[in-house]
Amino acid sequence: AQSVTQLDSQVPVFEEAPVELRCNYSSSVSVYLFWYVQYPNQGLQLLLKYLSGSTLVKSINGFEAEFNKSQTSFHLRKPSVHISDTAEYFCAVSLPYSGSRLTFGEGTQLTVNP
Amino acid sequence: ETGVTQTPRHLVMGMTNKKSLKCEQHLGHNAMYWYKQSAKKPLELMFVYNFKEQTENNSVPSRFSPECPNSSHLFLHLHTLQPEDSALYLCASSQGGEELDYGYTFGSGTRLTVV
Repeated sequence: AQSVTQLDSQVPVFEEAPVELRCNYSSSVSVYLFWYVQYPNQGLQLLLKYLSGSTLVKSINGFEAEFNKSQTSFHLRKPSVHISDTAEYFCAVSLPYSGSRLTFGEGTQLTVNP
Repeated sequence: ETGVTQTPRHLVMGMTNKKSLKCEQHLGHNAMYWYKQSAKKPLELMFVYNFKEQTENNSVPSRFSPECPNSSHLFLHLHTLQPEDSALYLCASSQGGEELDYGYTFGSGTRLTVV
């Protein structure tokens, strides 16, 4: 079975600083990887995903994540954060042809301070 | 709107009440899910439906009763709840079956408070 570990439960940063949210997974087979974002009092929204191909994937609002198979990681990065990026971020993993079963990490609260 | 609509957005109910949460999607998805999100705790998968059939029940107490009349609608019937059941209840949908998984689409959730 696959599992996901988000190494930091809380990440406080100042506005315009770079940020990295860490995610490691455990699986004996190939996986699909996802990052979701949850703003206060809302559901989860897909931020970006890795299915195959280029190991660097990007979102429309400046986030990117790199799939590293040797380190079994899928860390999320942004070179310069905004106050509006304050939210909870969830990493998730799925096995292809798994019947749509996603396993989520415990979440990382990103707080961007002025 | 995300494509998955949940109603109501907020619900306050007494421990002896009966209420239902509704989830609706018109994305052509065949799998639907109920998740519970409590403060300071990870997302808890409650139920999974694939092509209207329940395929997973993660030891959820019987005071929660799901219903999936068709692939577009999912309900969660609630009765005699406890205060610790207060949480954000999230519905999600996905392609389902054994198709390539492109992730879930979530609704905005129902904030439930049991008094």
